[in-house]
Amino acid sequence: AQSVTQLGSHVSVSEGALVLLRCNYSSSVPPYLFWYVQYPNQGLQLLLKYTTGATLVKGINGFEAEFKKSETSFHLTKPSAHMSDAAEYFCAVRFSGGYQKVTFGTGTKLQVIP
Amino acid sequence: KAGVTQTPRYLIKTRGQQVTLSCSPISGHRSVSWYQQTPGQGLQFLFEYFSETQRNKGNFPGRFSGRQFSNSRSEMNVSTLELGDSALYLCASSLGQENTEAFFGQGTRLTVV
Repeated sequence: AQSVTQLGSHVSVSEGALVLLRCNYSSSVPPYLFWYVQYPNQGLQLLLKYTTGATLVKGINGFEAEFKKSETSFHLTKPSAHMSDAAEYFCAVRFSGGYQKVTFGTGTKLQVIP
Repeated sequence: KAGVTQTPRYLIKTRGQQVTLSCSPISGHRSVSWYQQTPGQGLQFLFEYFSETQRNKGNFPGRFSGRQFSNSRSEMNVSTLELGDSALYLCASSLGQENTEAFFGQGTRLTVV
């Protein structure tokens, strides 16, 4: 079955430290991949997406993610965490043939410690 | 360029009532999708409309329905509300191709009492 998994429902990092949020998908065909961020009582904001082409994707706010087909992963990273990065992050997948149906991971809440 | 607009932002309803939520997509976007977000179930896909036609549907009971108008605006209706329907309902719009991203509104917070 097609699915997406985010490892770690809560991640804490110190301000200035590396941020690494993990995402793996299960599909025989590489899907379209997205990372979204959600602040409290807000909608979702797109950080970055992978559709085709370069496997290292740069997004907004200094985030980037790398699509690794062999590992079926799309982990999100940021070299140096800021206090403003504290939010919930969702990995999302759109499988081929699903039109606009997006399957979301369960989310990872990022805490940034000063 | 205006973003996705959802109205109302907050809503309180009583069990058994029905509710209609509205979503105005980004200008030029023909696809509108709806999602339910709850602490227990996370983000779950409800349905997608494209050019007034439902193109995809999630695994929700028939009490959840939607429609899309010729101007791409969409409404979602929930009938016979249950306590478990309390959630943040998010609308997303896109151009409609599989490789295009979805843009989300701020959501409607529905509380059923």
